[in-house]
Amino acid sequence: EAQVTQNPRYLITVTGKKLTVTCSQNMNHEYMSWYRQDPGLGLRQIYYSMNVEVTDKGDVPEGYKVSRKEKRNFPLILESPSPNQTSLYFCASSLSGRALNTEAFFGQGTRLTVV
Amino acid sequence: AQSVTQLDSQVPVFEEAPVELRCNYSSSVSVYLFWYVQYPNQGLQLLLKYLSGSTLVKGINGFEAEFNKSQTSFHLRKPSVHISDTAEYFCAVSPSGGGADGLTFGKGTHLIIQP
Repeated sequence: EAQVTQNPRYLITVTGKKLTVTCSQNMNHEYMSWYRQDPGLGLRQIYYSMNVEVTDKGDVPEGYKVSRKEKRNFPLILESPSPNQTSLYFCASSLSGRALNTEAFFGQGTRLTVV
Repeated sequence: AQSVTQLDSQVPVFEEAPVELRCNYSSSVSVYLFWYVQYPNQGLQLLLKYLSGSTLVKGINGFEAEFNKSQTSFHLRKPSVHISDTAEYFCAVSPSGGGADGLTFGKGTHLIIQP
C-alpha cells in the first residue's frame, strides 16, 4: 500500500530536549516536505527536499533541521524545542517537485506538545 | 509567490443541503489548483485538482470545483452533503511552470454538517 508513515503520532516533551520526528515513504517519490498546521493559519511549509541530499527552507524553517540521506526518509529534527513549536506536523511526498501537478501524499500527522 | 484565501473559516450546513466552499488565489504566474480534505485525526487527502482543460473538475465523494481565471477563484461545491463530509477543507495552489515552491495552502474551512 502506498503510504507516508510518520512516527510518533503523539509526543509530549520538555523545552530544550532534542527530538526527531521520522517520515518514510514507499512510493519512490523524489519530493518530500514538512508542514506544520496551526489553528487559523492552515498549513505552512517548514522544509522541503527535491531529492537525496537536496534540502531547502520553506516558509517557517526557524528552529528546525532536516536531512535526506536516503530517498525514502526525511526526518524532522528539533534541536532545542520551544513551546511555540507545539503544533500538528505533517510530512508529505510527491513524485516530483517540479511542476507540482502530481498528487501530494500526506502522513497521518504528529501532534507535538512542548511544555 | 502565491497566496490563497479561503473566505469562510466555518460553514454549517444541514444534511442533504448543497454547499459551496469559497477559494480565491493570487499569483503572478499560472498555477495548478487543488482541494484537499482532512477528516478528524487524519492526514490530508486529495479531493480534486485543476491542471488544464475543462474548468469544471470532478473529484471524489461527489465534490466538484470550477476554475474561474478572471475571478481567480476555485470554489468547491457539492449538491447534497452527508454527515460523513464533516471535515476541514483546504484549497491549495502550486506554480504550473515548475519550481520548488511546493503547495501554498489556504487557512482551511471547517465544514459542519448538521442533522
